[in-house]
Amino acid sequence: GESVGLHLPTLSVQEGDNSIINCAYSNSASDYFIWYKQESGKGPQFIIDIRSNMDKRQGQRVTVLLNKTVKHLSLQIAATQPGDSAVYFCAEINAGGTSYGKLTFGQGTILTVHP
Amino acid sequence: DAEITQSPRHKITETGRQVTLACHQTWNHNNMFWYRQDLGHGLRLIHYSYGVQDTNKGEVSDGYSVSRSNTEDLPLTLESAASSQTSVYFCASSGGGRGYEQYFGPGTRLTVT
Repeated sequence: GESVGLHLPTLSVQEGDNSIINCAYSNSASDYFIWYKQESGKGPQFIIDIRSNMDKRQGQRVTVLLNKTVKHLSLQIAATQPGDSAVYFCAEINAGGTSYGKLTFGQGTILTVHP
Repeated sequence: DAEITQSPRHKITETGRQVTLACHQTWNHNNMFWYRQDLGHGLRLIHYSYGVQDTNKGEVSDGYSVSRSNTEDLPLTLESAASSQTSVYFCASSGGGRGYEQYFGPGTRLTVT
């Protein structure tokens, strides 16, 4: 079945370093790939998305890269801050070009930023 | 400001009891979702709705039901609570042309004893 997974379950970095969180996916038909951030005791929060016909998208301090050849997704966080410490989930959706569709979430990576 | 709320935030119940978790959103979103989150399983979809009177089963729907009588609310009912349903439950909503951008509530921690 469809699945989205992560290479590394935990990542520790120093404040100011760049962070890279990786994700593997299996459904070639997915329309969008999304990254969510979940802080302790809170619900997941949307960070950034990328459409399947793109290979890179940049936001504020974050960049998502999509490699469809190897079905790999990554989230790069520049100048990581202690407030970035959270669990990061990748997710994929096959909406068939509509606004509908269900998200399939990966397991999550714990990012810890040390001051 | 628009928001999505869940109640209660914490609930302890006994095996066999019926439990209903509330979810209310003021985004006016058509799409609403219920997930459970367990260690080692990430977020798993229980039920979802694309509009009033529409409900659909997710990947872990056994033992749960939902109803959608208006746009704002999607209550989740555990018909007969089991210990395996001890989990953190999240409600989410989405709408407009970005249905994949889901807004999550703060979660309900449910313990079944």
